[in-house]
Amino acid sequence: NAGVTQTPKFQVLKTGQSMTLQCAQDMNHNSMYWYRQDPGMGLRLIYYSASEGTTDKGEVPNGYNVSRLNKREFSLRLESAAPSQTSVYFCASGLAGGGETQYFGPGTRLLVL
Amino acid sequence: KQEVTQIPAALSVPEGENLVLNCSFTDSAIYNLQWFRQDPGKGLTSLLLIQSSQREQTSGRLNASLDKSSGRSTLYIAASQPGDSATYLCAVGTGANSKLTFGKGITLSVRP
Repeated sequence: NAGVTQTPKFQVLKTGQSMTLQCAQDMNHNSMYWYRQDPGMGLRLIYYSASEGTTDKGEVPNGYNVSRLNKREFSLRLESAAPSQTSVYFCASGLAGGGETQYFGPGTRLLVL
Repeated sequence: KQEVTQIPAALSVPEGENLVLNCSFTDSAIYNLQWFRQDPGKGLTSLLLIQSSQREQTSGRLNASLDKSSGRSTLYIAASQPGDSATYLCAVGTGANSKLTFGKGITLSVRP
């Protein structure tokens, strides 16, 4: 079991460029989440998907879009990157219905110049 | 809006000491509370999950307690070791989809 995997591990973008962060889980979880982690701010929820075919905004959704491609995969897209989006991005997954442990991927470090 | 606070931001203790990490939250209507560990440059690893109906959970040298009415949780680490050095994050789950609200973490250093 690979758990939660994320690609790429590290990316440098110029302001205005676009990119997609990929996330996949092999634990048959229904729920998937995208967080960003910034120094002094902690982890904040960007978007989540309670089940295949559904997505909802979290605390900081502006500037991002997501796609729940299938049960395994949940991608995060930056259409026009800004320096404020420099961060470490974590994907997580969990069973549906609340009350479950969330399992995190290793993260993607993104630097926007 | 749920707010989660962890104080202090950093803690340094000698090896072998028993220690308590504190977490407080503002809204007691929670589904669960989780403690995570994060090593530098790595992802988060779940340590303990306490459901809202539970008072505590134990795993090895770790014990987490939950007092919903006072909005507090503690993580007790017994006989600390240098390998326990990491950042410990508290996260509160709210809503049917268990959206997590995180504290900023406590960076623990255990000195040999």
